[in-house]
Amino acid sequence: DTEVTQTPKHLVMGMTNKKSLKCEQHMGHRAMYWYKQKAKKPPELMFVYSYEKLSINESVPSRFSPECPNSSLLNLHLHALQPEDSALYLCASSQGAERGQPQHFGDGTRLSIL
Amino acid sequence: AQSVTQLDSHVSVSEGTPVLLRCNYSSSYSPSLFWYVQHPNKGLQLLLKYTSAATLVKGINGFEAEFKKSETSFHLTKPSAHMSDAAEYFCVVSDYKLSFGAGTTVTVRA
Repeated sequence: DTEVTQTPKHLVMGMTNKKSLKCEQHMGHRAMYWYKQKAKKPPELMFVYSYEKLSINESVPSRFSPECPNSSLLNLHLHALQPEDSALYLCASSQGAERGQPQHFGDGTRLSIL
Repeated sequence: AQSVTQLDSHVSVSEGTPVLLRCNYSSSYSPSLFWYVQHPNKGLQLLLKYTSAATLVKGINGFEAEFKKSETSFHLTKPSAHMSDAAEYFCVVSDYKLSFGAGTTVTVRA
């Protein structure tokens, strides 16, 4: 069983919808991450939160809006997405954001844009 | 910048035979290296990590990896493959973020 929980597991939405992805961890980790993974490709980093503050945004379009309400929760708000945004969205956490810290991944949300 | 190259995009083995997944890294200083596994419709699971302690690293499920600085390699091995080892494997180097290799797909023949 994964220690990083993501909901929902699957999401289908239209291009005009607004939805949110949720991620929760109870390992006391202070860094949390969002990744996007296309089929047969490695994950691509989107955002990094360290101590509940956004520390890295990898030039992600503004239709993706992250939020970290507290040290255990991470949300990704979605609005006006495009068909090419269909992918597996992975959340991860680590003890800190320093180099060498292994990250623990959730099972992801599979997102389909109609 | 640090990077990793996985030398095989696909590896096929028979159940009970050894598995070897090859990874070379590029780093200007002592790297932190990981191997992750991803089963279908699942997230990534950490198999093992190297952080400049012992050069032979033991991981979960019988996997181990050897760090060779002279060859800039971090190859993953398992003595005897099991059907449940069929998955995607990623070699990863850690800098201010994780840099992933392209992945190696492992299939296990009965």
